[in-house]
Amino acid sequence: SQQGEEDPQALSIQEGENATMNCSYKTSINNLQWYRQNSGRGLVHLILIRSNEREKHSGRLRVTLDTSKKSSSLLITASRAADTASYFCATDSKRDDKIIFGKGTRLHILP
Amino acid sequence: DVKVTQSSRYLVKRTGEKVFLECVQDMDHENMFWYRQDPGLGLRLIYFSYDVKMKEKGDIPEGYSVSREKKERFSLILESASTNQTSMYLCASSLIHRGDYGYTFGSGTRLTVV
Repeated sequence: SQQGEEDPQALSIQEGENATMNCSYKTSINNLQWYRQNSGRGLVHLILIRSNEREKHSGRLRVTLDTSKKSSSLLITASRAADTASYFCATDSKRDDKIIFGKGTRLHILP
Repeated sequence: DVKVTQSSRYLVKRTGEKVFLECVQDMDHENMFWYRQDPGLGLRLIYFSYDVKMKEKGDIPEGYSVSREKKERFSLILESASTNQTSMYLCASSLIHRGDYGYTFGSGTRLTVV
């Protein structure tokens, strides 16, 4: 069962530009998380935002959460080549205790 | 640095073989998870465990079993490997149940069944 869905599926931008990825989900959540996955590797936890929070920052990352629209966005500012990766949102559900990952956005930073 | 270690990065096995994928975490986490990741399908939960000797089925447990004899070790077992189990397998652990805390993932095991 899929909870979160990222948009777009793939994104290519020039180095130095900002990258924005979106995540929509279906049911009420307690928390939403974003992860990064470099090619062929495991996922790395980036940031967690709780349902009572609207915005959170971590370095060049900015995450917003709109529970009325059931959506979140991840903004990476001043992108670098090392940001090339897949980005996943993960949501838990107030209905059960598992977290579910979306299918990810593949971000490619062009030199 | 805290870690989740998966014993193999790449593995090639024959159809019908019994396959063990090992995962060890050094963070004293209660919760451990096994996912498989396939193109176009994302991450799918196979099994998880909230305590030693405890296991729960995830979304796709068929053809798999797990073992958690010690807190730090969570093993995934393919009872009789089949070609449709060719995939990337990811182990993860977390401190707290549910999504209140981030998951720490291992580097993954890419399994090919021939």
